Amino acid sequence: ETGVTQTPRHLVMGMTNKKSLKCEQHLGHNAMYWYKQSAKKPLELMFVYSLEERVENNSVPSRFSPECPNSSHLFLHLHTLQPEDSALYLCASSRTHLQGNQPQHFGDGTRLSIL
Amino acid sequence: KQEVTQIPAALSVPEGENLVLNCSFTDSAIYNLQWFRQDPGKGLTSLLLIQSSQREQTSGRLNASLDKSSGRSTLYIAASQPGDSATYLCAVFGGGADGLTFGKGTHLIIQP
Repeated sequence: ETGVTQTPRHLVMGMTNKKSLKCEQHLGHNAMYWYKQSAKKPLELMFVYSLEERVENNSVPSRFSPECPNSSHLFLHLHTLQPEDSALYLCASSRTHLQGNQPQHFGDGTRLSIL
Repeated sequence: KQEVTQIPAALSVPEGENLVLNCSFTDSAIYNLQWFRQDPGKGLTSLLLIQSSQREQTSGRLNASLDKSSGRSTLYIAASQPGDSATYLCAVFGGGADGLTFGKGTHLIIQP
């Protein structure tokens, strides 16, 4: 029981499809994150939400669109993805974003494959 | 830009041995450093978090040290067991919009 739940666990989609990844945390945390884990590369931070407000991150292509409707839920909307977007997408949460003593708790991820 | 390097990339040792995993980072201005383990097909499990003002943290057979000025951390695993087999990831938190910066990990195999 991780406290952070991601659905679906696996997703296969074509480049023209639209799909969404969902993350839910039951830890009472105020910060949530999306990370991308590709083979042979370190985890890359995609987006940060603190108190439901997005902390700007300009290095992610617009085909990825995050949404945080409340402090317990985080979505990643996918549209017109490329084969290089195939990866494990991990969601994490922490009590707050900017304090040094707050560990991040991770879900088990969504394995995304783009055909 | 912060960079995190983990050495070795892979390690295989017999059960019962003590071992050390290494992590280095280029920018010493960090809030904390975390060690995680990742099992195949799973997310990350937080093992230890060391705040920038601390030198080490211990949990069971695990001990993590931090030398912020030299940009180094070590994870010491005592009396290794086959269940310790996993990928171990080091990550530093610099605050702001950057979140955690991860190394590529050390893939550890403990031979029964």
